[in-house]
Amino acid sequence: DSGVTQTPKHLITATGQRVTLRCSPRSGDLSVYWYQQSLDQGLQFLIQYYNGEERAKGNILERFSAQQFPDLHSELNLSSLELGDSALYFCASSPLGLAGGWTQYFGPGTRLLVL
Amino acid sequence: LAKTTQPISMDSYEGQEVNITCSHNNIATNDYITWYQQFPSQGPRFIIQGYKTKVTNEVASLFIPADRKSSTLSLPRVSLSDTAVYYCLVGALYNQGGKLIFGQGTELSVKP
Repeated sequence: DSGVTQTPKHLITATGQRVTLRCSPRSGDLSVYWYQQSLDQGLQFLIQYYNGEERAKGNILERFSAQQFPDLHSELNLSSLELGDSALYFCASSPLGLAGGWTQYFGPGTRLLVL
Repeated sequence: LAKTTQPISMDSYEGQEVNITCSHNNIATNDYITWYQQFPSQGPRFIIQGYKTKVTNEVASLFIPADRKSSTLSLPRVSLSDTAVYYCLVGALYNQGGKLIFGQGTELSVKP
């Protein structure tokens, strides 16, 4: 158990819909990251937040957005869903420090299926 | 982050030592070498990190030659539960974190 929690575990929805994925980081970790893993694209970094502020951005679509709240939990919002958005979405958190960014603790993931 | 090259797959048997080599010819002075392990349908898990020479922890060893253009992850006496994908990552991150760029990884299959 990494200490990172994600809800829901599974999500089935239809094209065009909007969903929200939730992540609670490990106690004390200020950074939260979101990753997408699909069969054809592998593990892709989406976005990072540090203490409520966006810090790094990866291949995140404009239809996707994220935020980190004062209590440090984070939400990833996916809208106008397409079949290709079906994937595993992981949240990770990391401790502060030079090596912190490398030691990211991943949650169990949310499996999204768009029909 | 520096580009990495590692074998797509490897097979081994229980009890053997497994060495997975990663090439990173364009590694920069400030770059660290980090390995992650991922089981099916689970998030990746940090295994080990190093800068030069040798690093050992309770799970694995990491060997880095003087030129740092490659590195070898060594798993001693593997078991069936070590069957997973192993990712080599190279780069420099800042104190407040940063994005990890995962390649395709090495799929290790351990057989009885």
